[in-house]
Amino acid sequence: AQTVTQSQPEMSVQEAETVTLSCTYDTSESDYYLFWYKQPPSRQMILVIRQEAYKQQNATENRFSVNFQKAAKSFSLKISDSQLGDAAMYFCAYRRAQGGSEKLVFGKGTKLTVNP
Amino acid sequence: EAQVTQNPRYLITVTGKKLTVTCSQNMNHEYMSWYRQDPGLGLRQIYYSMNVEVTDKGDVPEGYKVSRKEKRNFPLILESPSPNQTSLYFCASMERGPGANVLTFGAGSRLTVL
Repeated sequence: AQTVTQSQPEMSVQEAETVTLSCTYDTSESDYYLFWYKQPPSRQMILVIRQEAYKQQNATENRFSVNFQKAAKSFSLKISDSQLGDAAMYFCAYRRAQGGSEKLVFGKGTKLTVNP
Repeated sequence: EAQVTQNPRYLITVTGKKLTVTCSQNMNHEYMSWYRQDPGLGLRQIYYSMNVEVTDKGDVPEGYKVSRKEKRNFPLILESPSPNQTSLYFCASMERGPGANVLTFGAGSRLTVL
């Protein structure tokens, strides 16, 4: 079964600085998708960024970018120029590309604090 | 506005009193799913549905039922709730097909079973 591990239960960063959240996953599949979701205090699950495993280029969305290392099964999230509104719980998630329940397998999350 | 709507958002109930959490999406998505979120465990899938009248168990289905009579609705039923079902519940939907399609979540339903 696929698993997703987020080794940092909590992280903190100063406003305007850069922070990297770690995520590793375990799968025997070659084709899959990876996601980062943000959960602010409102509890809403908000997509931050997504990556298709067959694409070597790392995805970017404004201040958010990933470092996707397929061989190492690593998918870290970098937040540049951190803002107070970035404070949230961040979840890394995996989904296989074909077959199965199309479920997202989530990590346990990393709580990010942004200090002014 | 494209969205997934869950109700109720908050509910306190007692052991054994049947309840239903409704979920509706307006995006014509074939795929719908329920997750529960517990501290330190992340989100885990309860049930999913690939299309109308097609449902299947996820990772933690015990104590729950679902139905999919219409494409837009996917209610979660707790026939006899127990305290270990106290949790934050999310309904989600997604367009099926190739590509990194995004699972769109509802706002969550906080359930407490006394």
